[in-house]
Amino acid sequence: AQKVTQAQTEISVVEKEDVTLDCVYETRDTTYYLFWYKQPPSGELVFLIRRNSFDEQNEISGRYSWNFQKSTSSFNFTITASQVVDSAVYFCALRGGNMLTFGGGTRLMVKP
Amino acid sequence: DTAVSQTPKYLVTQMGNDKSIKCEQNLGHDTMYWYKQDSKKFLKIMFSYNNKELIINETVPNRFSPKSPDKAHLNLHINSLELGDSAVYFCASSQWSGQGERGNTIYFGEGSWLTVV
Repeated sequence: AQKVTQAQTEISVVEKEDVTLDCVYETRDTTYYLFWYKQPPSGELVFLIRRNSFDEQNEISGRYSWNFQKSTSSFNFTITASQVVDSAVYFCALRGGNMLTFGGGTRLMVKP
Repeated sequence: DTAVSQTPKYLVTQMGNDKSIKCEQNLGHDTMYWYKQDSKKFLKIMFSYNNKELIINETVPNRFSPKSPDKAHLNLHINSLELGDSAVYFCASSQWSGQGERGNTIYFGEGSWLTVV
């Protein structure tokens, strides 16, 4: 069985603050993929990043960065210098085989 | 071009009616999914089809019947709609696991907002 836990249900920050969204997962698969998706107020699900279980390198894309630590089964997401447009619900997800399991999501509110 | 498109985007209907949501993908993927997002934003898989064959069916009531005429389409038909069916339904697609890095990403449509009154 797979499980993804996003303990933070809601985070509120002021613009330009850095914020980290936590994600912890459980799986018995040796090969798996981890994802982050963004759901803005308009409702669509936007793919942000994919990381496979053999690649523990951190990744940076502009203001976004991801920290994958297999030893702690975590795949955390940091937004640097947050902006109002970052306000959304962010989902961490785990794929083993053909099943994508989502965490409960973290609602991020960035205030001006 | 929209990669995964679903119609309609909004649907308001009365209890007891039958309705369908259509989904098409132009990514050349061989696997398609339906996910349900409830009012608390929780996303849960309902069905998955690979090459038109059902491979995942997650304890969904029989009133929900997916139909895949070909691997680019996966439609969702719902009979005898109930108030509790009100949700956002997302269609998605991917390549069968093991076909390479890029293929393992699951891409979602824009969602269909179903309201049962």
